[in-house]
Amino acid sequence: DSGVTQTPKHLITATGQRVTLRCSPRSGDLSVYWYQQSLDQGLQFLIQYYNGEERAKGNILERFSAQQFPDLHSELNLSSLELGDSALYFCASSTSGPPYNEQFFGPGTRLTVL
Amino acid sequence: AQSVTQPDIHITVSEGASLELRCNYSYGATPYLFWYVQSPGQGLQLLLKYFSGDTLVQGIKGFEAEFKRSQSSFNLRKPSVHWSDAAEYFCAVWYSGGGADGLTFGKGTHLIIQP
Repeated sequence: DSGVTQTPKHLITATGQRVTLRCSPRSGDLSVYWYQQSLDQGLQFLIQYYNGEERAKGNILERFSAQQFPDLHSELNLSSLELGDSALYFCASSTSGPPYNEQFFGPGTRLTVL
Repeated sequence: AQSVTQPDIHITVSEGASLELRCNYSYGATPYLFWYVQSPGQGLQLLLKYFSGDTLVQGIKGFEAEFKRSQSSFNLRKPSVHWSDAAEYFCAVWYSGGGADGLTFGKGTHLIIQP
């Protein structure tokens, strides 16, 4: 158990809908990262937050957004969902900035868009 | 731009045999390199990392990796695999610059253990 929790574990929705994925980092970790894992794209970095502020952006679509709240939990919002958004979404946390601090990964949220 | 290549999509090894998983990276600066393992239905777990110093790094579960700058490689090895090592293995490089930083992962190598 990494100490990072993600909810829900599974999510099934329809095209065009909007969903919110939630992540609670390990106690004391200030950085939260979101990753998408799909069969065709592999594991891709989406976005990073550090202590409530956006720190870095990777391959995140404009239809996706995230935020980190004062209690340091983070939410990833996916809107206007398409079939291709079906994937496993991971959250990871670290004490501060990488790379010196190991990223601990949550179990993921599996999103299925029908 | 940074990239990570894991040339083997699948590898099958007999239990008790040795293992080597290949990883090549492309990155202009000093690389920070990682190997992660993902068991079915699980998140990623860090096996080992290389930042600097000794080019042979030891990790958890009996794994080790060797950084070879001249070959841009960071291959993962284990002298004797166990059935529980069956999983997906990802090599990653941490990059920084251009207003972004994060981990770039390879496509992964699926390890199958034969009894």
